[in-house]
Amino acid sequence: QVQLVESGGGVVQPGRSLRLSCAASGFIFSTYGMHWVRQAPGKGLEWVAVIWFDGRNKYYADSLKGRFTISRDNSKNTLYLQIETLKAEDSAVYYCARAPSGTYGMDVWGQGTTVTVSS
Amino acid sequence: DIQMTQSPSSLSASVGDRVTITCRASDTISTYLNWYQQKPGKAPKLLISGASTLQGGVPSRFSGSGSRTDFTLTISSLQPEDFATYYCQQAYNTPLSFGGGTKVEIK
Repeated sequence: QVQLVESGGGVVQPGRSLRLSCAASGFIFSTYGMHWVRQAPGKGLEWVAVIWFDGRNKYYADSLKGRFTISRDNSKNTLYLQIETLKAEDSAVYYCARAPSGTYGMDVWGQGTTVTVSS
Repeated sequence: DIQMTQSPSSLSASVGDRVTITCRASDTISTYLNWYQQKPGKAPKLLISGASTLQGGVPSRFSGSGSRTDFTLTISSLQPEDFATYYCQQAYNTPLSFGGGTKVEIK
């Protein structure tokens, strides 16, 4: 079945970096755009970034540009999110989600991975 | 950047009630509007895309309407499993954005 599984979250000290992964299965990963979306504790959804199916185009939330990098390895069916210089406000559940062809929607979601930034 | 404003932020309703949630975009987005349902501790689930297209497996009591800047999600007869938080999302252009959410609680 179509599945997305995130990993890489944990407790991280402020100022450190972290790479999240999202393993895809059950569909042809290389033909879909992919998103990262985050949700701080008790808060709403915040879109982070999207990458096109071939990795050529990437777009980010304005407030996160510079510290966040989205990438993908289609040979490994895996999506990544690199986060630099972590701040307390980056503490959240990070979800990866699939973009239906030709749209910026999110039709399949992973279960999320939790990042806690704390000293 | 396009801002999405949902109202109300929360509501209390009874099983069988008709529920309407509104979402307003700060600029025209045609019908590039999606609705999601999220239950506590779970990932969001896509309910409606393109403002009015119900996703497979979503009960017909859910419906969406609207275009340009004003959109509505309607639940015609609220069921126990519908108590959740609902989010709208504009898919018109980047940066993408979500509404603040509407929590539907049991009265």
